[in-house]
Amino acid sequence: QKEVEQNSGPLSVPEGAIASLNCTYSDRGSQSFFWYRQYSGKSPELIMFIYSNGDKEDGRFTAQLNKASQYVSLLIRDSQPSDSATYLCAAETGGFKTIFGAGTRLFVKA
Amino acid sequence: AAGVIQSPRHLIKEKRETATLKCYPIPRHDTVYWYQQGPGQDPQFLISFYEKMQSDKGSIPDRFSAQQFSDYHSELNMSSLELGDSALYFCASSHLLIGGSEETQYFGPGTRLLVL
Repeated sequence: QKEVEQNSGPLSVPEGAIASLNCTYSDRGSQSFFWYRQYSGKSPELIMFIYSNGDKEDGRFTAQLNKASQYVSLLIRDSQPSDSATYLCAAETGGFKTIFGAGTRLFVKA
Repeated sequence: AAGVIQSPRHLIKEKRETATLKCYPIPRHDTVYWYQQGPGQDPQFLISFYEKMQSDKGSIPDRFSAQQFSDYHSELNMSSLELGDSALYFCASSHLLIGGSEETQYFGPGTRLLVL
């Protein structure tokens, strides 16, 4: 079992819809969680980070963290075709080590 | 704003050769991370450095070594290259907040290594 699990997708949503991406982690000691967006052949780009239980909103993006359930999610409102990418969930497991999930491929259809 | 710089961007080597990848972190960032990402795979953590000392180690083969220098740049040295080492190698940097564990990593553009 991977330490960070994501549904590989692909997840397909129509333009303007809400895209919901989910992630679970196994290490209860994980403190900080990150969502990165990665276009094919490009480097991961930070979208959101969250370390407190609850919701964190930034523009069209909302990250949700539930440490009791070891669950992190990312909601993308008003999805745009340019949001089509692979979204990587990552957990900082303590020290200077970050574990990535396999990523969820998102397609936003125009 | 300055970003993480990696060089070279592309590298072609033959089996059993050596390669050196370089990473220049964002100014004032004190932590560097190295990741390996194979085709269609998620980034795999290799190794990290904080203030020029190795801070954590992941799935880095014994054939690989890395260090962080006094100017905070880092080099990943890869010897006895194998076909399976062909991948994108990302460097990321961050600044450790005083009293906190929160670190936002900013990724470089990556070095694409092809081993023939």
